[in-house]
Amino acid sequence: AQKITQTQPGMFVQEKEAVTLDCTYDTSDPSYGLFWYKQPSSGEMIFLIYQGSYDQQNATEGRYSLNFQKARKSANLVISASQLGDSAMYFCAMSLSGTYKYIFGTGTRLKVLA
Amino acid sequence: DAMVIQNPRYQVTQFGKPVTLSCSQTLNHNVMYWYQQKSSQAPKLLFHYYDKDFNNEADTPDNFQSRRPNTSFCFLDIRSPGLGDAAMYLCATSRDGTEETQYFGPGTRLLVL
Repeated sequence: AQKITQTQPGMFVQEKEAVTLDCTYDTSDPSYGLFWYKQPSSGEMIFLIYQGSYDQQNATEGRYSLNFQKARKSANLVISASQLGDSAMYFCAMSLSGTYKYIFGTGTRLKVLA
Repeated sequence: DAMVIQNPRYQVTQFGKPVTLSCSQTLNHNVMYWYQQKSSQAPKLLFHYYDKDFNNEADTPDNFQSRRPNTSFCFLDIRSPGLGDAAMYLCATSRDGTEETQYFGPGTRLLVL
């Protein structure tokens, strides 16, 4: 069965430091996509970054990078130089092969400290 | 800017009184989704459309219906809201194929009195 696991319910990080949010996944399909979303208290789900299962290089988008380790089935999000505005809930998600659906993890709530 | 728009952002309804939430998109995406999200939980997919083809999740209550009159608009109808239906409702779109990125609207927070 396909599954996404986020083991960190909450994280703290000091402003300007880097932080890693963990995500592991389980699937037997060779083709899948991995996504990270940010959800501030306002509720909007903001797309951050995407990694395809066949991509050779780790995805990067500005201060966000995805540490993709296929053999370990992990897709950790790294946020560099944290800002106060990064405080939010972060969800890892995986697309289900051959469908339009996602599986979401349970989320990690990040708090950036001044 | 191309985007997903949801109205209203906040909706208050009474127990049992039908309510409609709306979503529109300027991305010209083929697929539209409705999710329900309760506090501190992951979004839960209610249904999705590929163009006009409607796909209901097996565990979506019959109380929830949806309409997609054209590519740009999609509506969520809750026929008889219960207290347990109070939640954030998120609309999302994706372009066409499977494994595509979903883009979300700002959501509508529904309160049932």
